[in-house]
Amino acid sequence: GAGVSQSPRYKVAKRGQDVALRCDPISGHVSLFWYQQALGQGPEFLTYFQNEAQLDKSGLPSDRFFAERPEGSVSTLKIQRTQQEDSAVYLCASSLGTSSGYTFGSGTRLTVV
Amino acid sequence: RKEVEQDPGPFNVPEGATVAFNCTYSNSASQSFFWYRQDCRKEPKLLMSVYSSGNEDGRFTAQLNRASQYISLLIRDSKLSDSATYLCVVNMVRGTYKYIFGTGTRLKVLA
Repeated sequence: GAGVSQSPRYKVAKRGQDVALRCDPISGHVSLFWYQQALGQGPEFLTYFQNEAQLDKSGLPSDRFFAERPEGSVSTLKIQRTQQEDSAVYLCASSLGTSSGYTFGSGTRLTVV
Repeated sequence: RKEVEQDPGPFNVPEGATVAFNCTYSNSASQSFFWYRQDCRKEPKLLMSVYSSGNEDGRFTAQLNRASQYISLLIRDSKLSDSATYLCVVNMVRGTYKYIFGTGTRLKVLA
């Protein structure tokens, strides 16, 4: 597609519920990134894929967070047993190369109640 | 010390003013630098890369000072539409992928 597409745009989850956030990157972009942005803060790195390989997951805050990109295109970020502190905007970005700027999707705003 | 630091602002300036933001970074080996713009409740969008020699794009000028480990963004002739949060972005080592974002500087241009 023309841009990075994320779904859903908004998600309200009850505490303890599992959620799955989807990212469809720009066609041909091998690098895909997930960031978490809390209100009033800059985006915080979560994880990075190059094609289907997850090369860095050091930013994932706990083992409740899991990301995959099985065919090197669409990626899913899964959060198990959601907690209130997981409430944030989850941004996906893709890039042609490792040292070019990113193109971000519109994000998924997750609210855990 | 945070890896990337910015003054959160807000900077309130009248239309037509010139305004400058600085951003400091902690890792002297950092290689790539960018400014992103983020509008309220929108995703960040790349404004410009920052090159060692400095670069200009219309009313926007970006500078890099490696010795003091800071980058700057200068906006001339501010427009109401420039009101946004400006995010400083640094990647720490050439060829790596992990970009660190500052918390952003809020700019409000007033009529």
